[in-house]
Formats: sequence, structure tokens, C-alpha cells
Amino acid sequence: EADIYQTPRYLVIGTGKKITLECSQTMGHDKMYWYQQDPGMELHLIHYSYGVNSTEKGDLSSESTVSRIRTEHFPLTLESARPSHTSQYLCASSEYTSPYEQYFGPGTRLTVT
Amino acid sequence: RKEVEQDPGPFNVPEGATVAFNCTYSNSASQSFFWYRQDCRKEPKLLMSVYSSGNEDGRFTAQLNRASQYISLLIRDSKLSDSATYLCVVNMGAGNTPLVFGKGTRLSVIA
Repeated sequence: EADIYQTPRYLVIGTGKKITLECSQTMGHDKMYWYQQDPGMELHLIHYSYGVNSTEKGDLSSESTVSRIRTEHFPLTLESARPSHTSQYLCASSEYTSPYEQYFGPGTRLTVT
Repeated sequence: RKEVEQDPGPFNVPEGATVAFNCTYSNSASQSFFWYRQDCRKEPKLLMSVYSSGNEDGRFTAQLNRASQYISLLIRDSKLSDSATYLCVVNMGAGNTPLVFGKGTRLSVIA
């Protein structure tokens, strides 16, 4: 089992609130990722990081921001939640070297009312 | 052309059947290939890596055809517990690029 954790697992929150989704891994992986996935749909990469102080935007335009101050921690923040942000958010990590397989956390299911 | 393409299915097969999924990828410089499994409303989990020589893990066999740029997954003697979505995943080119996930192929194994 992968040692990657996400909190909260479920969150229901009102429009306009600021949200931070937490992701931590204890595997010492340099690379971390955030994906967004709607039910029955494909994964969309929204942010990734290749190490401390490194962050990049993914393929899907996102109103969220991330930070990577510590290797094991990669939080995602939404400054002002909207109903369109309702989705599942999955965090993943991988080693820096080949073969690059990613390990996923259990996800945070976010509902914005 | 999408970077990683899969037949979305669903594939509905009886228990004990053999089923095969194919996946094509667009970048000939791709280096690493994987099959992930995702159960409904759960996170994706690595099923197996795909090596150039092909590899087998129990009832599962993965193969890579670099010339035609496709990978395949064969499941023999399907079990009810194999019902899931199978994601084809490719590392496109240079090592420091994120993995690209296909949309997935949904499999339902029926008793």
C-alpha cells in the first residue's frame, strides 16, 4: 500500500469560502501531483511539483494554487470556492527516476453548494 | 490526435472469459508504460508496468508494440472482482514529464 494521505476525505462547503486540501506522503518522493476527476470521467492534471519550491501548472486550467515547502507536503488551495469546483481531487507522488509510476492518495470529494 | 487513446467500452463479459484491451499512444519517444486499475469512486492503483519484452502477472499479460505504438492488456479467466476501469498510462518522451493517463476502458464481469 502506498503511504500517501489526503485530508479531508469529504468536504461540503459554501460558495466563496477558502479551502485547502492537504496531501502528504511518507515515501520521500520528489514528484507530487494534483488531479481533478469528475465521476466516470478522465483524470485531469492541474498542478505538479518536482521538488521543494518547484510548482508547475498542468493541462487543465485551474483557479487553485499549490505550494511545496516540504518534500512530503503538497497542499492545494482554492481562494474562493464555486459550485464549478465540485469534483474529486486526487493527489499522487512518484520517484524522480525511472520508471516513474505514480501512487495515488484516496482523494478528497469536494462539494461546493 | 489524443496522446493516449483507449476504447472506453464498456466491455461486458461473463466470468471465466478472456478479454483484451488495446491502447495507442502518439509520441514515439515515450519511455514508460503502465496499466492502472480504478474502481468506482476510488483512486487509481498501479496494476502493472509494461516492458518491451512483455510481462505477465498471474492472469494478466501486458504487451508493448513500439513499432505500432500500442500497448495491450490481456485478462484471462475473468473474475467478478476484475470489474473496474483500466487506465492506459504513458510517460511521453523525456523522463521529467508527467504521465499521461488515458480515459480508461470500463470492464464489467458478469456472473
